[in-house]
Amino acid sequence: SQQGEEDPQALSIQEGENATMNCSYKTSINNLQWYRQNSGRGLVHLILIRSNEREKHSGRLRVTLDTSKKSSSLLITASRAADTASYFCATDAVWGGGSEKLVFGKGTKLTVNP
Amino acid sequence: EAGVAQSPRYKIIEKRQSVAFWCNPISGHATLYWYQQILGQGPKLLIQFQNNGVVDDSQLPKDRFSAERLKGVDSTLKIQPAKLEDSAVYLCASSQPVSRDWTDTQYFGPGTRLTVL
Repeated sequence: SQQGEEDPQALSIQEGENATMNCSYKTSINNLQWYRQNSGRGLVHLILIRSNEREKHSGRLRVTLDTSKKSSSLLITASRAADTASYFCATDAVWGGGSEKLVFGKGTKLTVNP
Repeated sequence: EAGVAQSPRYKIIEKRQSVAFWCNPISGHATLYWYQQILGQGPKLLIQFQNNGVVDDSQLPKDRFSAERLKGVDSTLKIQPAKLEDSAVYLCASSQPVSRDWTDTQYFGPGTRLTVL
């Protein structure tokens, strides 16, 4: 079963606008990660935020985490056509044997129109 | 630094046939993962290796799926026999453990798109 659920499922904006995607999850986590997947390609790690952090920045990306609401948001500022991709949040989960695995949501499909 | 390599990139087979996918992780990465990504969904972990040992394969349908990582480097994932619902992209990822308290960043390959007819 998938732990994270992204919202919205799809988002279409104009170049230069900001894009905000949200992720909600169900169980306690140690950290949350965001990945990007371009059409027909593998996933690329964007940013990791730990459970004791509230906000993190990386270039045009800003991620927030609210553990009380079990939610996170990814903000892409000044979007570009090249940002067109699917964005997934992934949370860690402890499973059999004590090892951790990443559990991905279904993703938000972002389209940035030139 | 070379990324995670996978082959083939695309494969079309008929149901009940067999298929195998190959993955070469980033050099020096001890942990290797196989994910299944069905269209419209996020990746789902099938199996995780640490060197050449299986960490956990609880989500691997063992009646038809098998995976091995000989010598702790390359890995193969096999499906035998394939079913229609196995149509998906199979992603391989690798990571290098940093510490016990840190979830490792995973580096993904381009994936193999499998179509079962």
